[in-house]
Amino acid sequence: DQQVKQNSPSLSVQEGRISILNCDYTNSMFDYFLWYKKYPAEGPTFLISISSIKDKNEDGRFTVFLNKSAKHLSLHIVPSQPGDSAVYFCAARSINTDKLIFGTGTRLQVFP
Amino acid sequence: NAGVTQTPKFQVLKTGQSMTLQCAQDMNHNSMYWYRQDPGMGLRLIYYSASEGTTDKGEVPNGYNVSRLNKREFSLRLESAAPSQTSVYFCASSAAHEQYFGPGTRLTVT
Repeated sequence: DQQVKQNSPSLSVQEGRISILNCDYTNSMFDYFLWYKKYPAEGPTFLISISSIKDKNEDGRFTVFLNKSAKHLSLHIVPSQPGDSAVYFCAARSINTDKLIFGTGTRLQVFP
Repeated sequence: NAGVTQTPKFQVLKTGQSMTLQCAQDMNHNSMYWYRQDPGMGLRLIYYSASEGTTDKGEVPNGYNVSRLNKREFSLRLESAAPSQTSVYFCASSAAHEQYFGPGTRLTVT
């Protein structure tokens, strides 16, 4: 039973437009949500996070939205750039643990 | 400040062989983790260590052992490699909710 789901394996967006990556979760005990970005042959790198007590967190071109009632979060990238092409993983942490549960990832391709 | 380092970068093993994947971090983090990444499966936790001297099983621990040698180092051992352990292995460390990852080890078991 997958607790963190990314239902879109891939997304293709034109440069300059908005990219929206989605993530759903099932566990109400998650207190932190994170997005990681991964380029081929590299380790994942932290992008942005949000606490469960907030509904929005913004960092430059990246914004994460959390809808707790729907158990849904999304990552918005505006404007999208070719360098954003990568695999994006959503992750969630349970209260009082250091462990993260990862989704299966969404491959974003930004084309000119 | 190198962050999280992993050795080796690539390894090919025959079924039944053993090997140890090494991981070290220089960020003075208490927690360290081993994940494997397989196509369509995301990152799955193998083992983790919340502090020096402690280790706990993650989601997929079978076939693996770990050692938290000191605060900096956390190794993953395959005693008898199987083709199902062909994967990319990532080590990570954390001080809070954010985890920092190494570059990965690509392991092939034939």
